[in-house]
Amino acid sequence: DIVMTQSPDSLAVSLGERATINCKSSQSVLYSSDNKNYLAWYQQKPGQPPKLLIYWASTRESGVPGRFSGSGSGSDFTLTISSLQAEDVAVYYCQQYYSTPPAFGQGTRLEIK
Amino acid sequence: EVQLVESGGGLVQPGGSLKLSCAVSGFTFSGSAIHWVRQASGKGLEWVGRIRSKVNSYATAYAASVNGRFTISRDDSKNTAYLQMNSLRTEDTAVYYCTRPVSHNWFDPWGQGTLVTVSS
Repeated sequence: DIVMTQSPDSLAVSLGERATINCKSSQSVLYSSDNKNYLAWYQQKPGQPPKLLIYWASTRESGVPGRFSGSGSGSDFTLTISSLQAEDVAVYYCQQYYSTPPAFGQGTRLEIK
Repeated sequence: EVQLVESGGGLVQPGGSLKLSCAVSGFTFSGSAIHWVRQASGKGLEWVGRIRSKVNSYATAYAASVNGRFTISRDDSKNTAYLQMNSLRTEDTAVYYCTRPVSHNWFDPWGQGTLVTVSS
């Protein structure tokens, strides 16, 4: 099974500053036949279900603000929020869908400094 | 609008059983797989299992932690999926979400979840 590890576990960033969350998979999630990274990012606010932000490692879901971006390939990925807004306070999860079982990182809690 | 609504959660004693439902609307349920994901209080997301569509023989798969105790089924005539949970343990206490896989299995959207508490 693929294991997903995020860093850091928690992060405090000032409003308007950049937030960066890392995600590492125990094996590559880059599928050679289509050259796509099978990696998604979710945002979960308190009392709410997760919300899809990004898939294919860097494709923003419709309606997701442009300040959210995903990057990386193979086993190392990054979610970046370019200018933190108050409404971005949440826990963020990466997820691999390269193989079954799909697996999530442990989550990164993002707070305002 | 695509919607998934879970129900059936509650308090159950260790060793007991519970059956959750996931009612869906806004998309062609019969053509879609359904996944279950759980989240213990203050913890991360744990995939529980999935059931595929009729064209994929209703194939199921489960996490090792629930294999042999949990069973996922579906009724396409009712647009509803089910999670039958037997031999429940205290560590099964969690909010259980159902969700729809998109394309190659990212998940969108998710239901609001239903809380299962296993306690004596």
